[in-house]
Amino acid sequence: NAGVTQTPKFQVLKTGQSMTLQCAQDMNHEYMSWYRQDPGMGLRLIHYSVGAGITDQGEVPNGYNVSRSTTEDFPLRLLSAAPSQTSVYFCASRGQFVANVLTFGAGSRLTVL
Amino acid sequence: KQEVTQIPAALSVPEGENLVLNCSFTDSAIYNLQWFRQDPGKGLTSLLLIQSSQREQTSGRLNASLDKSSGRSTLYIAASQPGDSATYLCAAQGGSEKLVFGKGTKLTVNP
Repeated sequence: NAGVTQTPKFQVLKTGQSMTLQCAQDMNHEYMSWYRQDPGMGLRLIHYSVGAGITDQGEVPNGYNVSRSTTEDFPLRLLSAAPSQTSVYFCASRGQFVANVLTFGAGSRLTVL
Repeated sequence: KQEVTQIPAALSVPEGENLVLNCSFTDSAIYNLQWFRQDPGKGLTSLLLIQSSQREQTSGRLNASLDKSSGRSTLYIAASQPGDSATYLCAAQGGSEKLVFGKGTKLTVNP
């Protein structure tokens, strides 16, 4: 089925460890983005990309790194995990135009101890 | 800086009732206003997208309106059903690529 696939669904890390959350879409969408969702805070944009080779920062980029080497994939890297990064992470994509609807993945729940 | 507010934070209604969810935004310079549904432990599903030039959009029992001048949008759900129970989020798309979300309204429809 076409859509946005996120892996892993659940992950537990220790403080200081690094990891990569994977995001892949098969809809040939130009735009991809990462959000985090925290209780009482809503969804906040971490990083986004408007095409292969182009990335930009969102509202809360510190502690995260992204790259976009292909249209399909947009991985999110945690460089040195901190308890404040415990959250649910969502990847989303849409077509080229702002008027296009965002399609979300099912989410990745990350716990940092 | 755009801020999006949703009131109420939670709403409980009996099955069959018509209801309205409210969304307000501080910066009227938006490209569109989107409504999403989120079920527990799941991702977000797009319900309706209203372009800035439009006043409303309809899909089945859902109707969303947009009043840019007052910074408000409403989501009307007709004849609510238990399957409508979920958290509903609105989001404002501004001039950058950034979509600003409200914190959501948690809807419970009781049989």
